[in-house]
Amino acid sequence: EDKVVQSPLSLVVHEGDTVTLNCSYEVTNFRSLLWYKQEKKAPTFLFMLTSSGIEKKSGRLSSILDKKELFSILNITATQTGDSAVYLCFNYGGSQGNLIFGKGTKLSVKP
Amino acid sequence: NAGVTQTPKFQVLKTGQSMTLQCAQDMNHEYMSWYRQDPGMGLRLIHYSVGAGITDQGEVPNGYNVSRSTTEDFPLRLLSAAPSQTSVYFCASKRLTDTEAFFGQGTRLTVV
Repeated sequence: EDKVVQSPLSLVVHEGDTVTLNCSYEVTNFRSLLWYKQEKKAPTFLFMLTSSGIEKKSGRLSSILDKKELFSILNITATQTGDSAVYLCFNYGGSQGNLIFGKGTKLSVKP
Repeated sequence: NAGVTQTPKFQVLKTGQSMTLQCAQDMNHEYMSWYRQDPGMGLRLIHYSVGAGITDQGEVPNGYNVSRSTTEDFPLRLLSAAPSQTSVYFCASKRLTDTEAFFGQGTRLTVV
């Protein structure tokens, strides 16, 4: 059965800290792994990863995929209170390319 | 660009009532899908469609129906609402190839 497991499920840090969020997966017909940020409303796109070992960066956020060990990490450096959100990891898998979600990591950044 | 539009944003139903959650996208995406998001459970797939006239069940389809008569619209019907269907519902669309998925703003549904 396809599955995506995120850890930790919740995390509380202080502004300025660096955090690492984890996403492991077991997906048939793996194509892509995606990270999204969800605040109050709709999840918004952060990164799409398809190749191992290539880091994607956007400001203080970065992510990398390891297709051999079947996991990805999302790093956030110098965290800010605006980074507080649920971070979702999901794959496109299965024969129809359905989105297969982890449960999310709830990040709280304290001032 | 409107992207993915979901309506309504909030809804309260009584047990046994029926209703339809609307989802529309203007990006000509073949793939559309419905999820429910519950605390501690993540987003779970209810139904999905890979094109007009083609729908299939996801992980938690019971109590929900869908249809896809046009590329743009993918309504989700609750036939007889139950308290267990209290949740936040998201619609998402994407191209069939592996591209970014776009989400609607969500519908918070409470069944009393």
